[in-house]
Amino acid sequence: ETGVTQTPRHLVMGMTNKKSLKCEQHLGHNAMYWYKQSAKKPLELMFVYSLEERVENNSVPSRFSPECPNSSHLFLHLHTLQPEDSALYLCASSQVWISGGRADYNEQFFGPGTRLTVL
Amino acid sequence: GQQLNQSPQSMFIQEGEDVSMNCTSSSIFNTWLWYKQDPGEGPVLLIALYKAGELTSNGRLTAQFGITRKDSFLNISASIPSDVGIYFCAGQHNNRPNNNAGNMLTFGGGTRLMVKP
Repeated sequence: ETGVTQTPRHLVMGMTNKKSLKCEQHLGHNAMYWYKQSAKKPLELMFVYSLEERVENNSVPSRFSPECPNSSHLFLHLHTLQPEDSALYLCASSQVWISGGRADYNEQFFGPGTRLTVL
Repeated sequence: GQQLNQSPQSMFIQEGEDVSMNCTSSSIFNTWLWYKQDPGEGPVLLIALYKAGELTSNGRLTAQFGITRKDSFLNISASIPSDVGIYFCAGQHNNRPNNNAGNMLTFGGGTRLMVKP
């Protein structure tokens, strides 16, 4: 595998289900991201992990729960979702350099996304 | 929060025509990026710009980092059917404290390009 992979590619779930999205990057990066892409909306940043530490959470509802067990893997755990959560969920990774408490992020590389439908 | 205004929102052109799209921002960025997204796929990085005034080409694509650091444009010359997709600009600050959200990418709304053979 190369680049950034995501599984599953498609997911249909009911509002009472619990499911997880998986992302894996094979680029040696140390920062990973979850984005939500809805129709006719700009990409929305959901979560960022830098060096396995969460550094950004843009007021995402608690029914979305991220997990980053190591620098290569990122999960998004889903429970009791709503129909408006149906969207394409994109994972991305990048390199980040930390020096003197300041961060320099390189460009992000995206996975193919998981198309989520909540019934 | 800061916003990127990307225009046009959509374009329908004839094969062989040149295309131009741009992004403007209310704030300064250190980096401008251009991505293309095919249907059902994630965005793919086309061009990265790191210096004000920088002009960079990638095949038929040319992008420039505006002198004011608040804008960027992307040109596609001699369009072909496989150029169809959504093009996104993204701006990024850098070298801020590690927990500063300003380090993250801000995306434009996208330009949907359709090419008629």
